Amino acid sequence: QSVLTQPPSVSAAPGQKVTISCSGSSSNIGNNYISWYQQLPGTAPKLLIYDNSKRPSGIPDRFSGSKSGTSATLGITGLQTGDEADYYCGIWDSSLSAGVFGGGTKLTVL
Amino acid sequence: QVQLAQSGSELKKPGASVKVSCKASGYNFGSHSINWVRQAPGQGLEWMGWINTNTGNPTYAQGFAGRFVFSLDTSVSTTYLQISSLETEDTAVYYCARDRKSIEFDYWGQGTLVTVSS
Repeated sequence: QSVLTQPPSVSAAPGQKVTISCSGSSSNIGNNYISWYQQLPGTAPKLLIYDNSKRPSGIPDRFSGSKSGTSATLGITGLQTGDEADYYCGIWDSSLSAGVFGGGTKLTVL
Repeated sequence: QVQLAQSGSELKKPGASVKVSCKASGYNFGSHSINWVRQAPGQGLEWMGWINTNTGNPTYAQGFAGRFVFSLDTSVSTTYLQISSLETEDTAVYYCARDRKSIEFDYWGQGTLVTVSS
């Protein structure tokens, strides 16, 4: 069971918006910066969001991140079929002194 | 451009050992630590730990101390993951990832599939 809780799956139609939640605690999300990763089928994960809400160069502004208290959210607007992937939140947990990932959320674009 | 190039897939028998390499290029090797992440078939990402590329000091996540060893060769900008006494449960894709700061991995290797089967 992951320290960070994500929904196993979300789905939406092309062009629509979807949000993926990541719930944690004061030892991780509550006091550290969270990152989000996109893993397309058969490929390595890719950094999508860092420092809760910043996008690396080359990541379109359709992707956004936010954090409130001990939860974080990844938002994707203007969904495309190419966005179908697994999405993971990741963070340092100060109590465990370890990195932790959420269980991952599979996005289906219907 | 920054690249992390990992060694190819491995098929091993239970009890054997395997050494996976991760060669960095396109940046100052000592400026970023390298982390290792495991992904079992059909499962999520699991942080294994990291190695300080300046000092060579490894840090292991709980459950990865003992049979798992991180090492490096700075002369060839390469980090290694060695797994001994392989078990079928070690079957997974192993990724190396460059750490910008804690669990902020901006570059990843392509992954190395290690299959343990008799």
